[in-house]
Amino acid sequence: EDKVVQSPLSLVVHEGDTVTLNCSYEVTNFRSLLWYKQEKKAPTFLFMLTSSGIEKKSGRLSSILDKKELFSILNITATQTGDSAVYLCAVEPSSGTYKYIFGTGTRLKVLA
Amino acid sequence: DADVTQTPRNRITKTGKRIMLECSQTKGHDRMYWYRQDPGLGLRLIYYSFDVKDINKGEISDGYSVSRQAQAKFSLSLESAIPNQTALYFCATSDLRISYNEQFFGPGTRLTVL
Repeated sequence: EDKVVQSPLSLVVHEGDTVTLNCSYEVTNFRSLLWYKQEKKAPTFLFMLTSSGIEKKSGRLSSILDKKELFSILNITATQTGDSAVYLCAVEPSSGTYKYIFGTGTRLKVLA
Repeated sequence: DADVTQTPRNRITKTGKRIMLECSQTKGHDRMYWYRQDPGLGLRLIYYSFDVKDINKGEISDGYSVSRQAQAKFSLSLESAIPNQTALYFCATSDLRISYNEQFFGPGTRLTVL
């Protein structure tokens, strides 16, 4: 059975801290892994990863994929209160299906 | 204006009632999806459609049906609502022409079944 597991489930840090969120997966015929940020509304896209070892960056956020060990990490440096959200990881299990399996998310709270 | 809209945004109904949730998009995307989100369970795919007349079951389609009336519209129906269908429902779109498979989500419909 295909599955996506995120850890930790929740995390509380102070502004300025660096956090690492984990996403591990077991799927057949992996195609892509996506990260989303969900505040009190719809998820918004952050990154898509398809190749191992290639870091994607956007400001203070970065992500990398390890297809051998079947996981991805999302790093946030110098966290701000605006980073408080649920971070979702989704995996497309088979090429061409455009179906996504979502993890349960990591709830991040950044304290001022 | 939002690219993906959902109506209603909130709905409270009683067990056994028929409910329809509507989704419209102005992005011109060919693919549309319905998810439900429950605490501790993440987003789970109910149905998806790759084009008008194309309907596919997701992982939790029992108790739901959908209709893709036009490329821009994808509705989700609960024929006889039950309390465990209380959840946050999201519609999403994507497009084959976008190389990185990003899904664009609507604002969500919070459904409560009493």
